[in-house]
Amino acid sequence: EVQLVESGGGLVQPGRSVRLSCTASGFTFGDYALGWVRQAPGKGLEWVGFIESRPYGGTTKYATSVKGGFTISGDNSHSTAYLQKNSLQIDDTAVYYCTRVVVGGIGSHCDYWGQGTLVTVSS
Amino acid sequence: SYEVTQPPSVSVSPGQTATITCSGADLGTRYVSWYQQRPGQSPLLVIFEDSKRPSGIPERFSGSNSGDTATLTISGTQAVDEADYYCQAWDRNTMVFGAGAKLTVL
Repeated sequence: EVQLVESGGGLVQPGRSVRLSCTASGFTFGDYALGWVRQAPGKGLEWVGFIESRPYGGTTKYATSVKGGFTISGDNSHSTAYLQKNSLQIDDTAVYYCTRVVVGGIGSHCDYWGQGTLVTVSS
Repeated sequence: SYEVTQPPSVSVSPGQTATITCSGADLGTRYVSWYQQRPGQSPLLVIFEDSKRPSGIPERFSGSNSGDTATLTISGTQAVDEADYYCQAWDRNTMVFGAGAKLTVL
């Protein structure tokens, strides 16, 4: 059974950093891309970026619409992906979801999602 | 940047057919996926590559995509189908989500 479990969220002061983890199980971690999607309270889904699978070099790509400061990384030995955000702002408050990404030529999709971890940015 | 547009809300009576659209320039040249999100839950993939259903998704969910519009159709809509539905396309290594359509079953 494919599982994605996020952790690392919580209350963070503006200007501070947060590092979220996504631990995967039920599949070979390096064979799939892993992405991050966030959802502000009462709002829609917003793509943050993803890390390619190992055969594609594990490179990272980020949404241009998201204000910078995100860093995605992966640790194949621990089947874990990370999302770091520096200089957090109030509007970074959101549930952050980890997703398994099936990457294709003319289309990609998220076939599995974690339960999400809430990051609240507040003083 | 590429954008897709959904109606903010759709209403349907139980047992009837619900249709949720997603519009974008030449959308038919890209694969479209659909996600269901019930309140307090994570999104769930219900349609991928325009019309394919993941294992475990009921047959009443179907999808199509042509021209500038993709469509999610729910036949014989049930109360349990009440949720937000997001369409998603792929553009230059970026997932593009619609704003979501709230399906109300009343």
